[in-house]
Amino acid sequence: RKEVEQDPGPFNVPEGATVAFNCTYSNSASQSFFWYRQDCRKEPKLLMSVYSSGNEDGRFTAQLNRASQYISLLIRDSKLSDSATYLCVVSFNTGGFKTIFGAGTRLFVKA
Amino acid sequence: DAGVIQSPRHEVTEMGQEVTLRCKPISGHNSLFWYRQTMMRGLELLIYFNNNVPIDDSGMPEDRFSAKMPNASFSTLKIQPSEPRDSAVYFCASSWGANEKLFFGSGTQLSVL
Repeated sequence: RKEVEQDPGPFNVPEGATVAFNCTYSNSASQSFFWYRQDCRKEPKLLMSVYSSGNEDGRFTAQLNRASQYISLLIRDSKLSDSATYLCVVSFNTGGFKTIFGAGTRLFVKA
Repeated sequence: DAGVIQSPRHEVTEMGQEVTLRCKPISGHNSLFWYRQTMMRGLELLIYFNNNVPIDDSGMPEDRFSAKMPNASFSTLKIQPSEPRDSAVYFCASSWGANEKLFFGSGTQLSVL
């Protein structure tokens, strides 16, 4: 079983739509959780951290369910510029912080 | 502030040749990560260092791969001998402190013919 699993998509949605991505992780000792965004042929960049109480950043909302080992990202009012690959990321302590990326979910927002 | 700097941006080499990828992390960061990305396998963690010490190299695919971090401002990933299946984008990333976000370099696109 992969350490971090995501639905690869692609998700094709119209502008203005709400879209949700899910992610599960296998290591119950995982301590930190993130969503990264990667544009085509570019490096991944942090979108937002994910906190146990859930957190929001503008149109983006992240949720964490430690009991189910599940992370989600909700994007409201999708923009064309949201088209990218969204990577779920989990970090756990093994003497340093091992950071594992999911394979990513492709999102295409169309006009 | 300069970000993570990787070189070269592109490398084309022939099978059997030695390849060395270089990375300069952000000054002050104490963790450094090497990842490989392919369409088939996504972003794979190869090895990571904490305070210049390799902590986990379980992701290094074979003995042909080796990584060093001689000081806090420089790391190398070497492949010797290279094979066509090593073709991928290799990313270096650094971070400061526990549970902190990673900053990635622009990557090295490696093509082994």
